[in-house]
Amino acid sequence: AAGVIQSPRHLIKEKRETATLKCYPIPRHDTVYWYQQGPGQDPQFLISFYEKMQSDKGSIPDRFSAQQFSDYHSELNMSSLELGDSALYFCASSPRDGGYGVLTFGAGSRLTVL
Amino acid sequence: AQSVTQLDSQVPVFEEAPVELRCNYSSSVSVYLFWYVQYPNQGLQLLLKYLSGSTLVKGINGFEAEFNKSQTSFHLRKPSVHISDTAEYFCAVSSSGYSTLTFGKGTMLLVSP
Repeated sequence: AAGVIQSPRHLIKEKRETATLKCYPIPRHDTVYWYQQGPGQDPQFLISFYEKMQSDKGSIPDRFSAQQFSDYHSELNMSSLELGDSALYFCASSPRDGGYGVLTFGAGSRLTVL
Repeated sequence: AQSVTQLDSQVPVFEEAPVELRCNYSSSVSVYLFWYVQYPNQGLQLLLKYLSGSTLVKGINGFEAEFNKSQTSFHLRKPSVHISDTAEYFCAVSSSGYSTLTFGKGTMLLVSP
């Protein structure tokens, strides 16, 4: 079965640089979520999209932005990177109807900021 | 607002022993409850969920959990663990009608021979 695809899997950036993470949800899943998991931390919700519109917003820094495209894939753009942005970034998807927290997660993109 | 408390950050156990990972939640509305497992360097995988109905829910890999509304708990249990169960376990909650998950801090289950 198709899963949630995230790219790149690993990314190394310098401070103040910009990074873009991509997420391809499971086919027919119309809702996408982004989570950030720092070292030894629980996943923190950043933002979600339903039908290309932002549906919920969590602790996403102003330096970050995200969008969902017409093919339902999503991109998380991070600018002016800081050391504290080093984390595992998860994308998850679910169908809006009957989703109820049953999210399917991708394997994550590990961002290292030097 | 909702929150999840996982009382144990780490649970060491011997292979074939039973285990219970504790989870308590707080919410002002009805909730859906979940346990996710994260193996090293991997994403989160759904173990089991409580949406409604029977308070005892069974999941994959022999795990089960019991929803206790009066104690606002959703503890995870397995009668006999394997080495391969070594992983981080996250309890999570979402409010009825929303799918955004709030996670607990996680419990590292360490199974040794």
